[in-house]
Amino acid sequence: NAGVTQTPKFQVLKTGQSMTLQCAQDMNHNSMYWYRQDPGMGLRLIYYSASEGTTDKGEVPNGYNVSRLNKREFSLRLESAAPSQTSVYFCASSEIGGGANSPLHFGNGTRLTVT
Amino acid sequence: AQTVTQSQPEMSVQEAETVTLSCTYDTSENNYYLFWYKQPPSRQMILVIRQEAYKQQNATENRFSVNFQKAAKSFSLKISDSQLGDTAMYFCAFMKGGSSGDKLTFGTGTRLAVRP
Repeated sequence: NAGVTQTPKFQVLKTGQSMTLQCAQDMNHNSMYWYRQDPGMGLRLIYYSASEGTTDKGEVPNGYNVSRLNKREFSLRLESAAPSQTSVYFCASSEIGGGANSPLHFGNGTRLTVT
Repeated sequence: AQTVTQSQPEMSVQEAETVTLSCTYDTSENNYYLFWYKQPPSRQMILVIRQEAYKQQNATENRFSVNFQKAAKSFSLKISDSQLGDTAMYFCAFMKGGSSGDKLTFGTGTRLAVRP
């Protein structure tokens, strides 16, 4: 009963380095999301994928790219990390349409520090 | 655009007592959903309770209940018989009806500490 699995749990990068955050869900959900959480700002949507084969920008997409590899997996890539990208990153999934009957299910988050 | 406001950055309650967390939102939509998520120190985001705007009856999940005041655009969370395991950040969230998670807007959170 894994739900949404994110890797890694922690990561430290130097400015300019690149990395990919991995996310996989085993609930056969169609929609997947990447959020970032910063102190005092709640969660903000970076990118989402409403269904396999589609991706769209959220509120704060600059500096990130995503890939919906298949129905299960949705990765987030930082091509050239910046200190402003220091944050906790959450992956989530839901059925298409969301709503009260299909709320988001979250992974455990990745704490990323960029020095 | 919708906004969600949680005006209490931190709250504290004695174990076994009741506490209410406030949330207000601003929207011109008539069809929407509201959620409370809990984030314990483990960092996991856990859905606590949900409410459809078209339902007048307040949602209840065991010790958790909401006071949904649609006209006032208020959605408070009441935790009864508080337990140490309730210590967490609590986020209120708004979702426009007919949309997916791309329309989910979060408040800034309330940190709740349950004292033994």
